[in-house]
Amino acid sequence: DQQVKQNSPSLSVQEGRISILNCDYTNSMFDYFLWYKKYPAEGPTFLISISSIKDKNEDGRFTVFLNKSAKHLSLHIVPSQPGDSAVYFCAASARGAQKLVFGQGTRLTINP
Amino acid sequence: DSGVTQTPKHLITATGQRVTLRCSPRSGDLSVYWYQQSLDQGLQFLIQYYNGEERAKGNILERFSAQQFPDLHSELNLSSLELGDSALYFCASSVALAGFGDTQYFGPGTRLTVL
Repeated sequence: DQQVKQNSPSLSVQEGRISILNCDYTNSMFDYFLWYKKYPAEGPTFLISISSIKDKNEDGRFTVFLNKSAKHLSLHIVPSQPGDSAVYFCAASARGAQKLVFGQGTRLTINP
Repeated sequence: DSGVTQTPKHLITATGQRVTLRCSPRSGDLSVYWYQQSLDQGLQFLIQYYNGEERAKGNILERFSAQQFPDLHSELNLSSLELGDSALYFCASSVALAGFGDTQYFGPGTRLTVL
């Protein structure tokens, strides 16, 4: 049972444009959501998070949006840079259960 | 650099053998998590320790076990290894605050290859 889904395995975006990565979840008990970026042969790097009491969180070029009614979150990167090329994982946790449930990841490629 | 260290970086061993992976959490973090990433798979939660005690278990095989020591470092023991155990094993740590906002920081991982 895939509780966190990233339906796009890959995404290609022009440098300087906006990258939008999407994530859907099914478990209504999830109350904290995170995005991680991963390069090959490295561990996931924390990017940004959002709790269920908010619908938007911004950190520099990265913004995460949460739509609780649709059980959907998205990560916006603007402007996209070549160094943003990586695999992005969406993750979620439920109150009282700190383990993270991860999506399958989306490979983002930024083209010059 | 997340502040989480893992050793070794690579491990090659044979079926039936036993290995130990080691993790040191970020300074001040009390909780350690272990995750497995197999080929073409997302990260799967294995087990969590908090201040020396097991707190949560995921789909961890009975052949696998873990512990967290008084200095808060953790070890993941994998025994009777099978080809299918070949994977990346990540350790993460967090403060493990109750309530919202507990972010986990990941180490660089150990790549295990079972031949």
